[in-house]
Amino acid sequence: DAMVIQNPRYQVTQFGKPVTLSCSQTLNHNVMYWYQQKSSQAPKLLFHYYDKDFNNEADTPDNFQSRRPNTSFCFLDIRSPGLGDAAMYLCATSSLPGTSNNEQFFGPGTRLTVL
Amino acid sequence: QKEVEQDPGPLSVPEGAIVSLNCTYSNSAFQYFMWYRQYSRKGPELLMYTYSSGNKEDGRFTAQVDKSSKYISLFIRDSQPSDSATYLCAMTRGNFNKFYFGSGTKLNVKP
Repeated sequence: DAMVIQNPRYQVTQFGKPVTLSCSQTLNHNVMYWYQQKSSQAPKLLFHYYDKDFNNEADTPDNFQSRRPNTSFCFLDIRSPGLGDAAMYLCATSSLPGTSNNEQFFGPGTRLTVL
Repeated sequence: QKEVEQDPGPLSVPEGAIVSLNCTYSNSAFQYFMWYRQYSRKGPELLMYTYSSGNKEDGRFTAQVDKSSKYISLFIRDSQPSDSATYLCAMTRGNFNKFYFGSGTKLNVKP
């Protein structure tokens, strides 16, 4: 089945130790998003890619970086995780422009714990 | 003012009840409206997707959009304990503009 896959599902890291979260999709969607979601809060957009065009939200900390080497894969790098970065990280995709399809599909998320 | 407002609940109903979940928004340019269901510690699952105003029905779920009032609703008929989750509304202007989310309503359906 076509889907959005995130690995790992659970990640534990130490304060200040870099971590990379990965996302892959078989939907062939042009746009990929990274969100941060804390308990009982709405997902907060960190950045998105339209193809290789990178768009950073103004309030995304510099500590967060992203890479999209090809259509299928996108990575979230947290260079120096702090305790406040513990959250669920959600990857999402959406489809082509010029159509009525603007649904956004989410992966299962990676829950990050910072010790 | 937030772009999208959603009552966080929790909303507790008995099994079989009709559930009404709502969001209001401020940006009249939003064209595409979505409802997601999110179980605890899982990613959001797309339930309903609506373009512009009107109703859409899918099984026990009905989504309504009233653009004149900037108000969207999700109705769940014959609610089941398995419907217990957080329901997020989301909307966008389209064409890869940003998606705006409500903070989610936590629903508990009691057997």
